[in-house]
Amino acid sequence: AQSVTQLGSHVSVSEGALVLLRCNYSSSVPPYLFWYVQYPNQGLQLLLKYTSAATLVKGINGFEAEFKKSETSFHLTKPSAHMSDAAEYFCAVRPDTGRRALTFGSGTRLQVQP
Amino acid sequence: ETGVTQSPTHLIKTRGQQVTLRCSSQSGHNTVSWYQQALGQGPQFIFQYYREEENGRGNFPPRFSGLQFPNYSSELNVNALELDDSALYLCASSWGSETQYFGPGTRLLVL
Repeated sequence: AQSVTQLGSHVSVSEGALVLLRCNYSSSVPPYLFWYVQYPNQGLQLLLKYTSAATLVKGINGFEAEFKKSETSFHLTKPSAHMSDAAEYFCAVRPDTGRRALTFGSGTRLQVQP
Repeated sequence: ETGVTQSPTHLIKTRGQQVTLRCSSQSGHNTVSWYQQALGQGPQFIFQYYREEENGRGNFPPRFSGLQFPNYSSELNVNALELDDSALYLCASSWGSETQYFGPGTRLLVL
């Protein structure tokens, strides 16, 4: 069975500061990993995905994530936070075989202070 | 290119009633997945449809059922509504097992 743990349900940073949102996964098979963002009262928007092509993945809006197999982690980073980054962020895992459903973490709410 | 759309956007029902939620998949996609997102939680997988057949189901009771049509749009039906069914219901479409793209969701309130 696969699972995702997001450390920190709330993260607060100042505008211009580094954003680091943590995600650890548990999977018995090589997974596909995703980060989605959810703005208030909206659906989920794909930020980036890892599909084993490269360990450092670049996404939209300046975000990137690094897949570290030895640490079973897929942390999301952005060098400089912007006010518009304030949202809920979800890490998700999906197996490469079998049922191709996404398993989500519980989410991290990012607050950006002026 | 049209994205994933869902209707209605909001819905209020009472316990015991039945509800049908609708989803139109993104152009070129043949797979639809449904998720339930309770307040303050991550989405939970309900089921997936691929070419009109159920292709996997999460830990939800049989009163949650679905359908996919030849144009790949989909319905989620919930019978005998319970208070705990209050949630945001998200539909995602994809080309087979490729990346899932989500619609804006339907917010259901059960009173």
